[in-house]
Amino acid sequence: AQSVAQPEDQVNVAEGNPLTVKCTYSVSGNPYLFWYVQYPNRGLQFLLKYITGDNLVKGSYGFEAEFNKSQTSFHLKKPSALVSDSALYFCAVRGGRGTGFQKLVFGTGTRLLVSP
Amino acid sequence: GAVVSQHPSWVICKSGTSVKIECRSLDFQATTMFWYRQFPKQSLMLMATSNEGSKATYEQGVEKDKFLINHASLTLSTLTVTSAHPEDSSFYICSVTDNLNTEAFFGQGTRLTVV
Repeated sequence: AQSVAQPEDQVNVAEGNPLTVKCTYSVSGNPYLFWYVQYPNRGLQFLLKYITGDNLVKGSYGFEAEFNKSQTSFHLKKPSALVSDSALYFCAVRGGRGTGFQKLVFGTGTRLLVSP
Repeated sequence: GAVVSQHPSWVICKSGTSVKIECRSLDFQATTMFWYRQFPKQSLMLMATSNEGSKATYEQGVEKDKFLINHASLTLSTLTVTSAHPEDSSFYICSVTDNLNTEAFFGQGTRLTVV
């Protein structure tokens, strides 16, 4: 069964500094990887995904993520953080076809706090 | 991407009553919808997979008689929390996936408080 680990409950960064939110995964077959952001009392908003192709994926709001197969990681990054980026971030994985493909498994979430 | 609308956004109900939450796919015909539950400061836990025209598939540990799911059309799935109790208070979120199952789109969520 697939699983996702987000080792940090919270990440603190000053505005203007680069940020990284970590994610590692475990899945049979080729992974479909996603990052979502959640603001208080709201649903999840899609940021980016990796299905195949370039390991560096660019997404919404200046975010990007790097797929590293050998380290089974998919860390979320942004070169310059904004206060408005403060939110809860979820990494998710869907297994390759034939392995519970439709089910999306989420990490525990990482709260990003960007200080002015 | 698909637009998913959930209603209501929040609801307060008395213990013992039932509450219905609607999930609509506004611009996309969804044969499958997913219902998640999120406790405070925790991740999303998949409750069930709602299949249009057939019975929902529930995850282990989720009571199907407690959380009734109906997916009568390609654009609407409903989750009914029956005989609600305070421990059912939570944030419920639905989602749909695109035809290639490569991306999920989420409703804005429903905050249920049982008093």
